[in-house]
Amino acid sequence: AQKVTQAQTEISVVEKEDVTLDCVYETRDTTYYLFWYKQPPSGELVFLIRRNSFDEQNEISGRYSWNFQKSTSSFNFTITASQVVDSAVYFCALSGGRGAQKLVFGQGTRLTINP
Amino acid sequence: DVKVTQSSRYLVKRTGEKVFLECVQDMDHENMFWYRQDPGLGLRLIYFSYDVKMKEKGDIPEGYSVSREKKERFSLILESASTNQTSMYLCASSLPGELFFGEGSRLTVL
Repeated sequence: AQKVTQAQTEISVVEKEDVTLDCVYETRDTTYYLFWYKQPPSGELVFLIRRNSFDEQNEISGRYSWNFQKSTSSFNFTITASQVVDSAVYFCALSGGRGAQKLVFGQGTRLTINP
Repeated sequence: DVKVTQSSRYLVKRTGEKVFLECVQDMDHENMFWYRQDPGLGLRLIYFSYDVKMKEKGDIPEGYSVSREKKERFSLILESASTNQTSMYLCASSLPGELFFGEGSRLTVL
């Protein structure tokens, strides 16, 4: 069975601090996809990134970066120089070989950035 | 931009009522999904559909049914609402590699 664990229920930091959100996954599939979504207070989930199991290169997009390590089954998300607008609930998710079909989500991490 | 629209943002219903949650997408996606979101549990898949008139159970289908009569519309039905179905319901449609979500429908069952 597939499983995603986000052990950090809530994180609170002061603006401009760096913050890392942890994600650990379990799957027996050899081909799978990992995702991060952001849910701001408005409620709509916003897609941030997708990574397939054969691509372990880290990715950077502006202040956001992702560290994928198959050896530890982790897909961690770092926000550099955090801003108040980054405050949201962040979800890590996993799907099997068919891409964005039947995503399994973690419990979510509520991130609060204080001014 | 892809648009996934859920008909009601907030609903309050009574135990035993039949509840319809409607979802419409405007990008001709074949795949549509219904999730529920609860604190500490993340999003859990209720039902999904790969095509018109086709449906498959997700991880927590008990107490729910769905209808997909047209490609753009995917309805979630609570035949007899119960208090433990109080939750946030999220609809999504997908392209390969990405799910697009609606804004959610927050249902309270009294």
